[in-house]
Order: sequence, then C-alpha cells, then structure tokens
Amino acid sequence: DAGVIQSPRHEVTEMGQEVTLRCKPISGHNSLFWYRQTMMRGLELLIYFNNNVPIDDSGMPEDRFSAKMPNASFSTLKIQPSEPRDSAVYFCASSLQGRVYGYTFGSGTRLTVV
Amino acid sequence: GQQVMQIPQYQHVQEGEDFTTYCNSSTTLSNIQWYKQRPGGHPVFLIQLVKSGEVKKQKRLTFQFGEAKKNSSLHITATQTTDVGTYFCAGLGTGANNLFFGTGTRLTVIP
Repeated sequence: DAGVIQSPRHEVTEMGQEVTLRCKPISGHNSLFWYRQTMMRGLELLIYFNNNVPIDDSGMPEDRFSAKMPNASFSTLKIQPSEPRDSAVYFCASSLQGRVYGYTFGSGTRLTVV
Repeated sequence: GQQVMQIPQYQHVQEGEDFTTYCNSSTTLSNIQWYKQRPGGHPVFLIQLVKSGEVKKQKRLTFQFGEAKKNSSLHITATQTTDVGTYFCAGLGTGANNLFFGTGTRLTVIP
C-alpha cells in the first residue's frame, strides 16, 4: 500500500492567491482528516470526513478555508484567498473507522504564503 | 474544554540513557494513542491503549495508561540516535467526539 498520498509536497504562493491541497487516503479507510501543524499551535484538526461526509468542521479557521471529499479516494483543502498566517504544514490522515483507530498520516504539504 | 498536556516539551539525553514523556488529560479518555514524528517528517502511529492500567511494550518502548484513564506515559530504555523526534500522545474523549493531540515532547539524543 502506498499510504496516504498528498500533493504538492511544497507550495509557495503569493498572498491573495488560491491554494488547493490534495489527498488520496488509503484504500478501505472510510475516515479522512485534515490537520494543520505550526510551531505555535501544534497539530490542529481542521476537518473530519466519515464516508465522504463532513462530520466535524469546527476547526476550519474561517470562510477562506473549504474542504471537499467527492469520493472515497480523493479530498481537497482549498484556501481562497491565502494569507501569510496560513503558512504551515498541512497533513491529511486516514483511518479505518473514525477516531477509534490509529491514523495514517500523509507526508504533508508545506505551504508558504508570501 | 478538553486539553491534553505533555511534559516535558523538550528533552536532551545522552545515547544509552532512558527517556520518559508524560501525557495528562483534564477529563477521562476512551483511549490514548501515541505517535512519533521525525524531524521534517509526518506523525507515525505507534500504539493505542484502551484499558485502565494497560501496559504495552514495543522493544525498548513501554507505554502505560493510567488507572483513571486520564494520563499516560511513554518510556524508552537505552535511547539510540534513531529515537530522535517528537513524540505525541493523542487522547480520545469518552464520547469519541474528538482526538486531542498533546503538545509533543521533542527528544534529542546526543551520540
């Protein structure tokens, strides 16, 4: 199994631009999570999907952030417009079932907004 | 709200010394998970503890879940340079409503 696949690995963009991060979870995992990691705030849950349905989006910072999961094998996290404070490493993770099982994280996308 | 605190934040040890990180929750947990993140890497799932007082071992790593299911510890015996990284605990609330990641303990092993 290739694990959780994220793209791109690195993204540098100018303030105000739209950014789209992509994730392919492990086949057979029905839960998907988007996390953001910064030195100041650690690992923050942004949104949690179960069976492609958003269950908990309370961590989404504001309307500039949106996430979709059109099918079981693909999810996107979009930031529009991006701001310098959005600079962070964004991780996608999947699990077999909800929060009860351990998560498999992708390699992350390092986003820099200048 | 629920919080999961970890101590210490940083730990430097000489290779061969033991290392322990502690995780404390403000409320009772359903389970606790432990992850390791190498520098520049991503968190990797190590283990999950579910039962009160549970102890599990993985080679030189020993994981414990407190009797009250509000605290946990990870102990590494005779550290090696390959143990370098940040160790996170993550506690699942009793309603399975959210998995709260601790602040992590960054371990440095001096050869």
